[in-house]
Amino acid sequence: GDSVTQMEGPVTLSEEAFLTINCTYTATGYPSLFWYVQYPGEGLQLLLKATKADDKGSNKGFEATYRKETTSFHLEKGSVQVSDSAVYFCALSPNNRKLIWGLGTSLAVNP
Amino acid sequence: DGGITQSPKYLFRKEGQNVTLSCEQNLNHDAMYWYRQDPGQGLRLIYYSQIVNDFQKGDIAEGYSVSREKKESFPLTVTSAQKNPTAFYLCASMWGAKDNEQFFGPGTRLTVL
Repeated sequence: GDSVTQMEGPVTLSEEAFLTINCTYTATGYPSLFWYVQYPGEGLQLLLKATKADDKGSNKGFEATYRKETTSFHLEKGSVQVSDSAVYFCALSPNNRKLIWGLGTSLAVNP
Repeated sequence: DGGITQSPKYLFRKEGQNVTLSCEQNLNHDAMYWYRQDPGQGLRLIYYSQIVNDFQKGDIAEGYSVSREKKESFPLTVTSAQKNPTAFYLCASMWGAKDNEQFFGPGTRLTVL
């Protein structure tokens, strides 16, 4: 069945460091791919998405490119801030309305 | 402002009691979802509804029940049959096809004493 695998956390970085959170997926067909962010004690918010191969989603300095050849959708940011500390979830949407979720990666950014 | 509301933010119940969590949306979305979140386990789907008066079990439906009598409301009842009910519960809604995002409420933290 469809699945999403994220790198395990926690990830701890210093402010202004480069961030990569790996996400790979298994799916039939052509799913849409998403990154969501969850700040402490809150619900999830969409960070970015890509709906077809080679699409790049971007928002708030974060980017991810839909790579069908490597079945990946890695999240990157060139310079993280303390305010980026949160849990990040990768998800895919097959040809229905359900999302398949990764387990989440916790990020802590130190000043 | 459009959005999803969940109430209450924190809920405490004694073991053996049923409890109902509220979820309301004014986004005019057809589909609504309930997730459970436990530390280190990501989001697990409890129930979802794609249209009024219809809903389907998710991956962990045992011990839970839902109703969808109105488009904007999708309450979740945690019954006494749920063995480990203490968790963070998230409600979400979505409009349209697979390319669209799910919008989330702020969540309800349920603690069973």
